[in-house]
Amino acid sequence: DAGVTQSPTHLIKTRGQQVTLRCSPKSGHDTVSWYQQALGQGPQFIFQYYEEEERQRGNFPDRFSGHQFPNYSSELNVNALLLGDSALYLCASSLDRLNTGELFFGEGSRLTVL
Amino acid sequence: DAKTTQPNSMESNEEEPVHLPCNHSTISGTDYIHWYRQLPSQGPEYVIHGLTSNVNNRMASLAIAEDRKSSTLILHRATLRDAAVYYCILRDVAEKDDKIIFGKGTRLHILP
Repeated sequence: DAGVTQSPTHLIKTRGQQVTLRCSPKSGHDTVSWYQQALGQGPQFIFQYYEEEERQRGNFPDRFSGHQFPNYSSELNVNALLLGDSALYLCASSLDRLNTGELFFGEGSRLTVL
Repeated sequence: DAKTTQPNSMESNEEEPVHLPCNHSTISGTDYIHWYRQLPSQGPEYVIHGLTSNVNNRMASLAIAEDRKSSTLILHRATLRDAAVYYCILRDVAEKDDKIIFGKGTRLHILP
C-alpha cells in the first residue's frame, strides 16, 4: 500500500516563474492538505481540499492555489515566485470521516527560488 | 501563533526513557492532543494522540494532565532513530479543524 507520494522531489525556479507540485494521497484517503516548511521552522498550513473544493485556507496569498482531482490527487500551484517561497512543500492526506485520525505526510517537494 | 508551547531542544542518552513536555493552557474541551515527529529529510509522521486519558501504543505513551493544560510524550527506551523534531499539536474535533498549527517543536538529540 503506497503512502503519500509527491513530485518532483526537488526543483529550482527563478523569481517570477510559476510552479506546480503534485501529490497522490494514501490509498483510500479523500482529503489532502498542503503545508509549507521553511528551514528550521514547523510546517505552516496552506490549504485543504476535500471533494474537489478548497475547504480551509491558511494565511497565504492568492498566488498559492490548488486543485483536487476526482481520484483525490492534488496539485499546488504557486505563481509569481518570490525568493521567500523557497521551502519544503509537504502534502498530507487523511480520511474525512475520521476527523481526529492521523495525517499521513509525503516526503515533500523542495523548492528553491533563485 | 502555535497553541502549544514546547522546549526548543532536549537531550537524552540512548536506551533511557525520554519525557517530552508540552503546554497547551488554552485547550478547549473538544481539542485532541496529537504528537508528530519529523526525522531528518522526511515529512512528519504520526506518533500518538489522546483526549483525556493516558494512551499507549507501540511507539510511545502519552500522559495527559488532569486539567488537560499540559501533556508529556514518553519514549520508554530511546534509540538513535528517535532523534527528530517532535511536534505537539491540537486538533478540534468539533470544527473538523485540519488547519493544524505546528510550532517549532522540540528537537530531540540522542547521545550514544
